[in-house]
Amino acid sequence: ETGVTQTPRHLVMGMTNKKSLKCEQHLGHNAMYWYKQSAKKPLELMFVYSLEERVENNSVPSRFSPECPNSSHLFLHLHTLQPEDSALYLCASSRDRNPPDTQYFGPGTRLTVL
Amino acid sequence: DAKTTQPPSMDCAEGRAANLPCNHSTISGNEYVYWYRQIHSQGPQYIIHGLKNNETNEMASLIITEDRKSSTLILPHATLRDTAVYYCIVRPLNTGGFKTIFGAGTRLFVKA
Repeated sequence: ETGVTQTPRHLVMGMTNKKSLKCEQHLGHNAMYWYKQSAKKPLELMFVYSLEERVENNSVPSRFSPECPNSSHLFLHLHTLQPEDSALYLCASSRDRNPPDTQYFGPGTRLTVL
Repeated sequence: DAKTTQPPSMDCAEGRAANLPCNHSTISGNEYVYWYRQIHSQGPQYIIHGLKNNETNEMASLIITEDRKSSTLILPHATLRDTAVYYCIVRPLNTGGFKTIFGAGTRLFVKA
C-alpha cells in the first residue's frame, strides 16, 4: 500500500462512451500526476497538478481531460477514445513537484477501448 | 535532458546481491538520480535516490561514481519478489514533473 488508490482497477469502454478514472492520495501531498503506460512502452507523463492547479500538459489529446478538485483527488475524464488509448493509466503523488520529491504510484487502471 | 542507458535484462540467483548498472553520461550537476521498480501489472515503486553521495536505505544501496556519469543499484540479498523492471531516472531541479523520463529499464529475473 502506497497511500495512493485508483478506481476502477479495470475498465472496458466503447469509443463513444464517457468514463472517468479516479485517484485519491492519503499522504498529504501537494502534487499529483497522470501517467500512461502502453504495452511494451515506457511510462509517459500526461499531466502534472501542483496545489490543485495544472502546471504541465504534455501535449495530450483533448479526449483526455484531467480535473483536480482538491489536493487529495485527481480525475481523468475520458471521451471518444480510440483503441490505441488502451493502456495502464497510473496516478502518482509527491510532496511537491520538484526534486528531491519522491513519487508514490497507485496500482493503476487497466483501460481497454473497444 | 540527461538520458539513461540500462541493460535490457539481468539474472540474479536468489540470496545473492543484484547489481544493476545505469549510465547517465550527460548528467548535469543539479540532476538527481532516482531508482524505481515496477512489478508486473503494478504501479512503480520508489526505491532510492541520490545526488552525489552514495546512499543506503532498507531496500537498497545506490553507488554513484565520482564523475556522476554512472551509478549502480545494489539489492544486497535478492529474493524472488525482487523480480521486476528497474528504472534509473535522472531529473533536474526546478523543472516540474515533465523531466521525469522513464526509459525501458532493466528487467531483473531472480531465480531460485
